[in-house]
Amino acid sequence: DGGITQSPKYLFRKEGQNVTLSCEQNLNHDAMYWYRQDPGQGLRLIYYSQIVNDFQKGDIAEGYSVSREKKESFPLTVTSAQKNPTAFYLCASNPLGPDSYNEQFFGPGTRLTVL
Amino acid sequence: GQQVMQIPQYQHVQEGEDFTTYCNSSTTLSNIQWYKQRPGGHPVFLIQLVKSGEVKKQKRLTFQFGEAKKNSSLHITATQTTDVGTYFCAGNFGNEKLTFGTGTRLTIIP
Repeated sequence: DGGITQSPKYLFRKEGQNVTLSCEQNLNHDAMYWYRQDPGQGLRLIYYSQIVNDFQKGDIAEGYSVSREKKESFPLTVTSAQKNPTAFYLCASNPLGPDSYNEQFFGPGTRLTVL
Repeated sequence: GQQVMQIPQYQHVQEGEDFTTYCNSSTTLSNIQWYKQRPGGHPVFLIQLVKSGEVKKQKRLTFQFGEAKKNSSLHITATQTTDVGTYFCAGNFGNEKLTFGTGTRLTIIP
């Protein structure tokens, strides 16, 4: 099956610990995105990447870091510098290209709770 | 910054009634997309509008893009319990990013 996988579905961490959220896609999509979703605030862009070994900050990048060493993978690290990390994190991908709708395909999400 | 405002935040309707959600941008959009997120799920793409004044239909759903390409709406006719969820618009300002609205959560009263 083609798609985007995120693991784990639920994640608990103690305050002050870094945590890495996994995102893998086998859709051969060029672009990948990380969003944060909080109640009543919609989806806010954290980081995105259009090509391997390159990525750009989104609207709320502070306290987060990413890497894009492989086309299929775009892990997100929530660092201890992120002041309010408890949220639902969504990863998405997009094929880009002239024939693309630019629609984004979302993974199932990881709900992170920092205690 | 580039923002997309969406109203209302919540909408409760009786089953069979119509539902509409609206999105507005202060600057012109290249295109706008609509997504649906079921409770506990992830957003799923519904449609993209590109042309000024464009209207597209998907069964009971009607999507409109304003003449100035600054606003859009989603109208559902005769809602059903399967329509429950949060509907997001997402605007594209001519780059590789989408800017999502805050969403409208639709609840259906049977």
